[in-house]
Order: sequence, then C-alpha cells, then structure tokens
Amino acid sequence: DIQMTQSPSSLSASVGDRVTITCRASQSISSYLNWYQQKPGKAPKLLIYAASSLQSGVPSRFSGSGSGTDFTLTISSLQPEDFATYYCQQSYSTPVHFGQGTKLEIK
Amino acid sequence: EVQLVESGGGLVQPGGSLRLSCAASGFTFSSYEMNWVRQAPGKGLEWVSYISSSGSTIYYADSVKGRFTISRDNAKNSLYLQMNSLRAEDTAVYYCARDRLMTTMYYMDVWGKGTTVTVSS
Repeated sequence: DIQMTQSPSSLSASVGDRVTITCRASQSISSYLNWYQQKPGKAPKLLIYAASSLQSGVPSRFSGSGSGTDFTLTISSLQPEDFATYYCQQSYSTPVHFGQGTKLEIK
Repeated sequence: EVQLVESGGGLVQPGGSLRLSCAASGFTFSSYEMNWVRQAPGKGLEWVSYISSSGSTIYYADSVKGRFTISRDNAKNSLYLQMNSLRAEDTAVYYCARDRLMTTMYYMDVWGKGTTVTVSS
C-alpha cells in the first residue's frame, strides 16, 4: 500500500496569510495526487486533481504542485471561508489512501 | 443538478448487518465508477470500496474485505454497500463519491452528504 503523510497536522494562520500544506507519498505516484477540503459536518470537496489542476469553481488562490513523492497545496491569501481540514489522496494504486488531514485554524 | 444522496444508516448491534444506498441524479450514472468512503468520529477519511461502471471490477479496503459488499444497479441509478458482521470500529459517516477520469487520473469529484452508521450494543 502507498501511505500518505501530511504536514503539519494543524496550522494556525490569519486572514490574508499565504499557507502551504505538504503531502508526502511512501513511493512515487507521479502526479496522481488530489486535494480535498472538508468543513465540519460537511462532505469533502475536491479542490485540486492531478497534483496541479484546479477543479472547476474553486478560487484561483488555491494551487497545487509537485510530482513523484512530494506535493504541496498553497493558499495564496487566506479567506475566512478557507478555515477547514485539508486532505491529500493518491489515486496511483488501490487502496487509494488519504493523508491524515491538516486542520487549518484561525490565529 | 448532479447529486448523490445516501440513505440506510442507523444504529446496529455488533455482529449485525446494514445496507446503505446511494441514489444518483443529474448525470449518466452508468458511465461512472463509484466509491464508498467513510469517516469515523473525529477521524480522517478512509476509502472503503470501489466499483467500476459496469460492476465488473471491485476493490475493498483490507479493513472491510470479506464483510462488506459493494454493488450497483445502473437501471435504478443506485449504488449499494451491504455491511455484515459489523464492529464498533465501523462506526462512521459513510459517503458515496463519484470517480471522474481525466486521461489516466482518477479523482472523486462529487460527494453525497453522508449517512451515519453507529455500531453499538
């Protein structure tokens, strides 16, 4: 199985900050990496697919990069609605594991 | 509107069974692969099972293999998860999610709101 490790597990930031979340795969997954946002009590929402492609309707302040084993999700200027938990997920092979999540909190 | 609506969750005793359903609308259900993903209280997301568009290819997480069965009825635009021999650790919100394929890249682009399964005596 390919394991996904996110860092940090939690993060405090302020509105307007630039934030980066990292996801590392236990082996190379090329660009088979997706990012999801989840707010409390809600279903996950797709943000980024194939490591760097922005899902339709997602604000351009979200971006993704990386390939192989190391990936990042960047929010260029945090907005109040961005405080949530973020998950990476590999789709290279089954089982398609998720990372443990990064909780983004208001400072 | 593209939509997935789960149902069938509830309280069940350890060792019991439950069948979850996911009703799809707003898209051609028979053209898409589907997944079940769960989330235990206060925990992260865990992929549970996958089924191809025709139902011919199925995968399970090790944690549910031999106890859960995924199936679909394309004529009814519905996805199912039969859960047997339930354990306390199966307690979770269960989401159905549509798989989208872009060249060779898969991602879950549509999610239902989830149905809650509680396994307790």
